[in-house]
Amino acid sequence: DVKVTQSSRYLVKRTGEKVFLECVQDMDHENMFWYRQDPGLGLRLIYFSYDVKMKEKGDIPEGYSVSREKKERFSLILESASTNQTSMYLCASSFAGTDYGYTFGSGTRLTVV
Amino acid sequence: KQEVTQIPAALSVPEGENLVLNCSFTDSAIYNLQWFRQDPGKGLTSLLLIQSSQREQTSGRLNASLDKSSGRSTLYIAASQPGDSATYLCAVRRETSGSRLTFGEGTQLTVNP
Repeated sequence: DVKVTQSSRYLVKRTGEKVFLECVQDMDHENMFWYRQDPGLGLRLIYFSYDVKMKEKGDIPEGYSVSREKKERFSLILESASTNQTSMYLCASSFAGTDYGYTFGSGTRLTVV
Repeated sequence: KQEVTQIPAALSVPEGENLVLNCSFTDSAIYNLQWFRQDPGKGLTSLLLIQSSQREQTSGRLNASLDKSSGRSTLYIAASQPGDSATYLCAVRRETSGSRLTFGEGTQLTVNP
């Protein structure tokens, strides 16, 4: 069964901490994405990557960075966590062609206190 | 700018009822449309992917249709069950946005025993 695996289901971090959210896919997908989901705001794209070491900003990149050193792994980094980054974070991946859909991970619920 | 609208925002039905969820989008230049299911606190599970050249896709009790020219898709759920209770989201992949998806806000479905 193909999978997108997010390393943590729940995380609690303190304000100012550097936070790493990890995502691994086993489908050899070229594209990987990080979203956050908040009530009333829906899913918002933070960053995406279409190849190793490549990244593009999404709609809300401020306060975040990403790393993609290997094809299967895409990391989201909160450089200095703030309470307004408390959210559900969702990773997804897809093949590069236009005929393909997304596969999502199970999500990481991050609380910043 | 592409907008995706899902109506209704919430729906409550008795078990066994057939139901239809609606998704509309403003830009008809799409590659495909994908329907997802999301259980509370979880990630998104892909249900059906319809290519722009297709009219419908079926999986078990689910049938999704696409009318690209009018900017509409419907998700039909036959003989609904309490286990179908979840939020259902549609998302379109636009020809002008590469690999990015544009999501609707979702329809929260409750199926009562």
